[in-house]
Amino acid sequence: QKEVEQDPGPLSVPEGAIVSLNCTYSNSAFQYFMWYRQYSRKGPELLMYTYSSGNKEDGRFTAQVDKSSKYISLFIRDSQPSDSATYLCASRVNYGQNFVFGPGTRLSVLP
Amino acid sequence: DAGVIQSPRHEVTEMGQEVTLRCKPISGHDYLFWYRQTMMRGLELLIYFNNNVPIDDSGMPEDRFSAKMPNASFSTLKIQPSEPRDSAVYFCASSIGGDHEQFFGPGTRLTVL
Repeated sequence: QKEVEQDPGPLSVPEGAIVSLNCTYSNSAFQYFMWYRQYSRKGPELLMYTYSSGNKEDGRFTAQVDKSSKYISLFIRDSQPSDSATYLCASRVNYGQNFVFGPGTRLSVLP
Repeated sequence: DAGVIQSPRHEVTEMGQEVTLRCKPISGHDYLFWYRQTMMRGLELLIYFNNNVPIDDSGMPEDRFSAKMPNASFSTLKIQPSEPRDSAVYFCASSIGGDHEQFFGPGTRLTVL
């Protein structure tokens, strides 16, 4: 079992839809949770991160972590075609330690 | 800022040949990471350096892979001899102080025939 799991998709939604992307993890020591976005033929870039359980909002994006169920979510409101990308969740135990990435979910937002 | 620079962007080689991938991190960043990305295995950490010193190379698949960081502005990942199963996109990333934000380069797409 991989430490971080994601449904690879692809996930296709119409423009304006609310998108829910999810990850599960197995290592209860993980404390930091990141979402990276990767456009086709580009390197990943950080979208947002959270520490421990709770929600964090940044514009149209909300990251949610439930440590009791080891579940990580990213919600995208009013999705746009420019949101079409692969979304990778990542986790780490402590600041300064290496990440473990999920395999990524490919999202297509159709105009 | 030019960002993380990787070269070459594409490499096609034959099985058994030596391959050297290069990376220039963002100036001032003290952490450097090498990743490999494939459809089957996703994004895997191969090795990372802090202040030019290798910290964790447990992700290096086998002795055919080696990485060096001779100074703060340059790192190489070498595969010798290369095999078809090494075909992947190799990313270099850098960060300040092991921060949550790693800055990735554009990647090197390696094809081993």
